[in-house]
Amino acid sequence: KQEVTQIPAALSVPEGENLVLNCSFTDSAIYNLQWFRQDPGKGLTSLLLIQSSQREQTSGRLNASLDKSSGRSTLYIAASQPGDSATYLCAVGAGTALIFGKGTTLSVSS
Amino acid sequence: DGGITQSPKYLFRKEGQNVTLSCEQNLNHDAMYWYRQDPGQGLRLIYYSQIVNDFQKGDIAEGYSVSREKKESFPLTVTSAQKNPTAFYLCASSIGGTSYNEQVFGPGTRLTVL
Repeated sequence: KQEVTQIPAALSVPEGENLVLNCSFTDSAIYNLQWFRQDPGKGLTSLLLIQSSQREQTSGRLNASLDKSSGRSTLYIAASQPGDSATYLCAVGAGTALIFGKGTTLSVSS
Repeated sequence: DGGITQSPKYLFRKEGQNVTLSCEQNLNHDAMYWYRQDPGQGLRLIYYSQIVNDFQKGDIAEGYSVSREKKESFPLTVTSAQKNPTAFYLCASSIGGTSYNEQVFGPGTRLTVL
């Protein structure tokens, strides 16, 4: 059974710092991996989608990588800002629906 | 603008009551999904529908029911058989019926049992 783990569960950094969020999964037979952002009490906003044939995707200050063979993905956030404070969820597509990790809650202080 | 709407934003249920959560999309997506989120937990799949008039149970379907009479609508009923329904409920949709396709999420409904 596919399991998705995110480390760390929480992270606090000062503004301007570059940071990496980690996601690991147990079964490499996936269609894709998706990173989401969730603000308190809100729905999910898709940040990046990496198909299984791709190695990375970039959007602005965000860069996500995927290493299927090792079952790992990272989300790199450059020059963090207080507005980046949120919970970041990764999810793997394998079958009908997405399988989610529990998320990393990021706090960026000014 | 295309997207997913969920209503109500907040819902309160008394013991023994059935309540229905609404989910509507205007993205012309074939597939729709219901997930449940508990504090500090990832999302778990309740039900999904790949096409009108068809739906399947997800990992935690007990105590829930759905219908898919229209392509754009996928309401979720939380029945009295669901013993611990307090949670955040998220609806999603995708073009195709597998997780190969990107899923778009709605804003969610927070259900609280009084």
